[in-house]
Amino acid sequence: EAGVVQSPRYKIIEKKQPVAFWCNPISGHNTLYWYLQNLGQGPELLIRYENEEAVDDSQLPKDRFSAERLKGVDSTLKIQPAELGDSAVYLCASSSRRQETQYFGPGTRLLVL
Amino acid sequence: SQQGEEDPQALSIQEGENATMNCSYKTSINNLQWYRQNSGRGLVHLILIRSNEREKHSGRLRVTLDTSKKSSSLLITASRAADTASYFCATDEGGSEKLVFGKGTKLTVNP
Repeated sequence: EAGVVQSPRYKIIEKKQPVAFWCNPISGHNTLYWYLQNLGQGPELLIRYENEEAVDDSQLPKDRFSAERLKGVDSTLKIQPAELGDSAVYLCASSSRRQETQYFGPGTRLLVL
Repeated sequence: SQQGEEDPQALSIQEGENATMNCSYKTSINNLQWYRQNSGRGLVHLILIRSNEREKHSGRLRVTLDTSKKSSSLLITASRAADTASYFCATDEGGSEKLVFGKGTKLTVNP
């Protein structure tokens, strides 16, 4: 079974530039999560999707962050414009209905200069 | 906000020794999970323990849960160099579907 796929793995951009991350969850998983992980910290939830509906986006900074999950499969997280403080690892995870375990992708490491 | 707090923040042991990590949390939970993260990788689920369970085993892993103290411990027996990683506890905050992670314990197993 293929795991959660994320791309790119690394991204270096200058501040004020836009950036986008892509995630393909495990086939059949209805729930998709985007997390932010700062150095030395645990992941913090940005947004959770049930199929194509964002059911929890309370921690997503909506002035600069946006996300979409068209057709309820893969998802894109965008930052526009990026700030220095956005440098972090962005993790995507998925789970199937009624399953508490989440399966994580390798993450995208973002560096904003 | 982070619900769980792992202790210690860092732990260094020799191969073959046991490693114990602790996690404390703040609200009521339905379950608590432990995840491992190797450097530069995503998180891998290790074990889930429900609020009505007190102890659970999986291979060399032993997890305990004390809901009265709002704490859990993860014991790795006979550690190996490959166990070197960061370990995170995660709880379903207030029994919700949202997982809240702690800051993690960085374990180093020296060969």
